[in-house]
This record gives sequence, structure tokens and C-alpha cells, in this order.
Amino acid sequence: AQSVTQLDSHVSVSEGTPVLLRCNYSSSYSPSLFWYVQHPNKGLQLLLKYTSAATLVKGINGFEAEFKKSETSFHLTKPSAHMSDAAEYFCVVSGPRDDKIIFGKGTRLHILP
Amino acid sequence: DAGVIQSPRHEVTEMGQEVTLRCKPISGHNSLFWYRQTMMRGLELLIYFNNNVPIDDSGMPEDRFSAKMPNASFSTLKIQPSEPRDSAVYFCASSHGTSGQFTDTQYFGPGTRLTVL
Repeated sequence: AQSVTQLDSHVSVSEGTPVLLRCNYSSSYSPSLFWYVQHPNKGLQLLLKYTSAATLVKGINGFEAEFKKSETSFHLTKPSAHMSDAAEYFCVVSGPRDDKIIFGKGTRLHILP
Repeated sequence: DAGVIQSPRHEVTEMGQEVTLRCKPISGHNSLFWYRQTMMRGLELLIYFNNNVPIDDSGMPEDRFSAKMPNASFSTLKIQPSEPRDSAVYFCASSHGTSGQFTDTQYFGPGTRLTVL
């Protein structure tokens, strides 16, 4: 069985400071992992994905995430937050047999001026 | 490309009425997904199609919900009769679906906000 847990429902950071959004997963087999972003009143957009290649994945807009199998984590980071990063972020897990895709509950990122 | 197109963007209806949501996927994509997003349950996969064929509809909440994909460029999600608890944002997404149903990047439409009074 698969599951995904986003550890924080809200995160607030000041503009120019680092961003860390935490995600833990559970999977019976090698998962594919994704981070999507949703801006207000918009659909979801892929930030990055891990599909069993390099464990450090670089995405759009300066975001990156590291797959850590020993910690079952896939945290999203960015060195310096920008006001335009304010949005909701979803961690997503799917399995190689295409039998499930599970979205986390989301983390709302607030950027303080 | 215009991206995934959904219509209407907003729908307000009364309990018991039929509601039809529409989706046009990105041209050339062969997988299409319908999702529902609510505050309580988050984002849930309702059904997905590959090459116009429904593959898994286990996420459809009950028989009041049905989905069709008559051709590669159009899909509908129908609720009949609608109930207040169906109020949510419904998203359609499409993908190439070549390396796997869920491992390919999904491109989401802007969603349809449904309110059932």
C-alpha cells in the first residue's frame, strides 16, 4: 500500500530565505515521486519528479528535492524564496505498476515581505 | 498549445439537477484523468482513460457519477442527480502516458468549481 504525508499544512518564510517543505512516503515498491504546485484558482503544475534515476532532482523555478530511501522522504527545498512562490504544494506518490496515485494533503507556503 | 481546457469554469446548480463537466486534453496525449478536490479529502483521482478507454473507475464515488471519452479530444464527467456534498473543484488532466499511466507528467486544466445548493 502507498501513502504520502506532508508534515506541515502551512509554512511561512520571509522573502529571500530558504524554503523547506517536508514529505514522507510509504510504498511497497520503488515509487515515483512528484511535487506539484497550485497557485490560487489555477490547476496543478509539475515542479519536479523522481523516477528512480538521480536522487537529487532539480525542478523549475529553482526548486529541488532529494529522494532519501532510508528516511522515506522527498523534501522540497529552494535556497531563496520569492513572493511568487506563495502557493499550495502537493507531494505525490505513484507506483511502477500504475495501480495508484496518491496526493498529499498539501502545504500552503506563505512568503512574508 | 492551449493546454487542457475545461468548461464551465464555474457551475452553480440545485440539488437533483444533472451536471456535465467537459474537458479537452492536450493534443497528442493519450491518457486523461478526472480528479476532485475538496477541503476535507484533498485531491482524489476519480477515473482515468488510456486511448479513450476507461482503465480504472474505482475512485468514482457512486453510481451518480459517470464519465465518457468518445474521442481523443473530448471527455465528460456527469453527475446525475447532483447533491450538495458533490460541491468541489473538479480537475481534468492529460499526459502522454507512454512510460506509465502515472509516471508521465500530468498537465492539469484550470478546474471547474461546482456548487450544488
